[in-house]
Amino acid sequence: DAKTTQPTSMDCAEGRAANLPCNHSTISGNEYVYWYRQIHSQGPQYIIHGLKNNETNEMASLIITEDRKSSTLILPHATLRDTAVYYCIVIGHAGGTSYGKLTFGQGTILTVHP
Amino acid sequence: EPEVTQTPSHQVTQMGQEVILRCVPISNHLYFYWYRQILGQKVEFLVSFYNNEISEKSEIFDDQFSVERPDGSNFTLKIRSTKLEDSAMYFCASSEEQGGTEAFFGQGTRLTVV
Repeated sequence: DAKTTQPTSMDCAEGRAANLPCNHSTISGNEYVYWYRQIHSQGPQYIIHGLKNNETNEMASLIITEDRKSSTLILPHATLRDTAVYYCIVIGHAGGTSYGKLTFGQGTILTVHP
Repeated sequence: EPEVTQTPSHQVTQMGQEVILRCVPISNHLYFYWYRQILGQKVEFLVSFYNNEISEKSEIFDDQFSVERPDGSNFTLKIRSTKLEDSAMYFCASSEEQGGTEAFFGQGTRLTVV
């Protein structure tokens, strides 16, 4: 699976959009970009994933660049409860089914302040 | 909302003792995982389990570790002879498909080896 690079930490004001970047320049054609988060030593929580099109769900939006070498997770209206470590993970898929383990890096510590 | 349940939430054991960590995955999920997180470190993959057998394991998952799905609902991780360095948070996860596709994590068991 391709390696990812994320900033160590970011701050965001409550109510503002949080934009978390991720670089995955060695991503290959069958690899998806996944985002998980971990709130204060709780179990990781799935947020969103995508291949090349932008994706949106009730939690967040995922913007993937046209060359797929980077992506941005957007939390449109961050709240204090969004303070967490956010992980960008690239995982290979085969025939629509992902394979391989989740490899967590250090992630980005997002702090949402009042 | 369905959830993965882990018991106990905290276990203290003496070095050399055997421990069994228990998990109840989401009922219609087919793939099961154990991860661990040593305090202050990354979440690390231990093992994946499908169709009553191990499908992948990491270097951490040596002979002192074993997994079992004894009754079709529980998924257990056994550590045969605990060491101080086994102290960590252990997370169980399950998914409908292999790999990361919306893997659901439990809240974890904090294992302390003294």
